[in-house]
Amino acid sequence: AQSVTQLDSHVSVSEGTPVLLRCNYSSSYSPSLFWYVQHPNKGLQLLLKYTSAATLVKGINGFEAEFKKSETSFHLTKPSAHMSDAAEYFCVVSDTGTASKLTFGTGTRLQVTL
Amino acid sequence: EAGVAQSPRYKIIEKRQSVAFWCNPISGHATLYWYQQILGQGPKLLIQFQNNGVVDDSQLPKDRFSAERLKGVDSTLKIQPAKLEDSAVYLCASSFPGGYGYTFGSGTRLTVV
Repeated sequence: AQSVTQLDSHVSVSEGTPVLLRCNYSSSYSPSLFWYVQHPNKGLQLLLKYTSAATLVKGINGFEAEFKKSETSFHLTKPSAHMSDAAEYFCVVSDTGTASKLTFGTGTRLQVTL
Repeated sequence: EAGVAQSPRYKIIEKRQSVAFWCNPISGHATLYWYQQILGQGPKLLIQFQNNGVVDDSQLPKDRFSAERLKGVDSTLKIQPAKLEDSAVYLCASSFPGGYGYTFGSGTRLTVV
């Protein structure tokens, strides 16, 4: 069975400071991993995905994530937070055996303050 | 490119009533998914279709939820009768087989009172 654990339910950063959202995964197969963002009353948007190519994945809006198999982690980072980054972020896993079934974490709410 | 269309955007019903949601996937996407997102949680897959056949409905509460995808395009998700705990956002997504081009709709927010 596949699962993800998002280690922080809420993260608050100041604008211009780095962002770190933590995610650990569990998967029976070689997983595909994703980060999605959800702004209030908006749909889910894909930020980036890892599918067994380069372990450092770059996404949209300056976000990136590093796949670390030894630590079963897939943390999301951004060097400098912007007010528009305030949203809910979901770490998602998909077993390559069932690549279309996505299992979501419980989410991390990112707050960006002035 | 048109996205995944869902309607209605919002729905308020009383418990024990019935409700239906509609989804129109991206043209050419053979795979369609319905997710339930309860407030404060991540989305949970309810049912997955490949064309008009069900691939996975293991987490669909079949005593009250039903879904169909006639002709392999549009899909409807129905709840009958609704319970208070069904209050959630119902998200539809579609993709090519294997998950390529996975795209979510904006969802239908259901409130059961």
